[in-house]
Amino acid sequence: AQSVTQLDSHVSVSEGTPVLLRCNYSSSYSPSLFWYVQHPNKGLQLLLKYTSAATLVKGINGFEAEFKKSETSFHLTKPSAHMSDAAEYFCVVSDLNQAGTALIFGKGTTLSVSS
Amino acid sequence: DTGVSQDPRHKITKRGQNVTFRCDPISEHNRLYWYRQTLGQGPEFLTYFQNEAQLEKSRLLSDRFSAERPKGSFSTLEIQRTEQGDSAMYLCASSEQGNQPQHFGDGTRLSIL
Repeated sequence: AQSVTQLDSHVSVSEGTPVLLRCNYSSSYSPSLFWYVQHPNKGLQLLLKYTSAATLVKGINGFEAEFKKSETSFHLTKPSAHMSDAAEYFCVVSDLNQAGTALIFGKGTTLSVSS
Repeated sequence: DTGVSQDPRHKITKRGQNVTFRCDPISEHNRLYWYRQTLGQGPEFLTYFQNEAQLEKSRLLSDRFSAERPKGSFSTLEIQRTEQGDSAMYLCASSEQGNQPQHFGDGTRLSIL
């Protein structure tokens, strides 16, 4: 069965410093992996998607993630945090038992950005 | 692209009442999904449609939950005889066919008194 584990429930950074949000996945097959962001009382916005075309995936708002099969990781990074990046971030894998239609979400990482 | 629209944004009801939520997907998307998100957790898949066909409903939480998409456009999610534990955010998403990203609405927050 597929699953994702977000290793930190809360990450705090200062504005202008790098961001690292960690995610490990478990999958019997080559997975489709995603990062979504959720601002308070809003729906989820897709940041980026990995589907085996390239191991380094660039997303919106300066975020990127690297797929590392040997480490079963898909960590999200950004070189310089903005105040507007403060939100909840979810690492997500496609559920192959549902023909890849359903998404399986991690528990989320809350990113706080201080000035 | 007007995005996925959900109505209402917030529903407050008494325990035991029935509630219905509506989702309007992005117009060219033939797949529609429902998820539930409880406080401090990631969303949990409930059901999905391809056009008007409900292809997966085994993840609906109980027989009090049902969903429809009668004309393959908008969808409704109904919860009968609501319970305290039904309090959550209910999210709708849509996508094109194939391994395409899902686009989410802003959700309907259900509060049970």
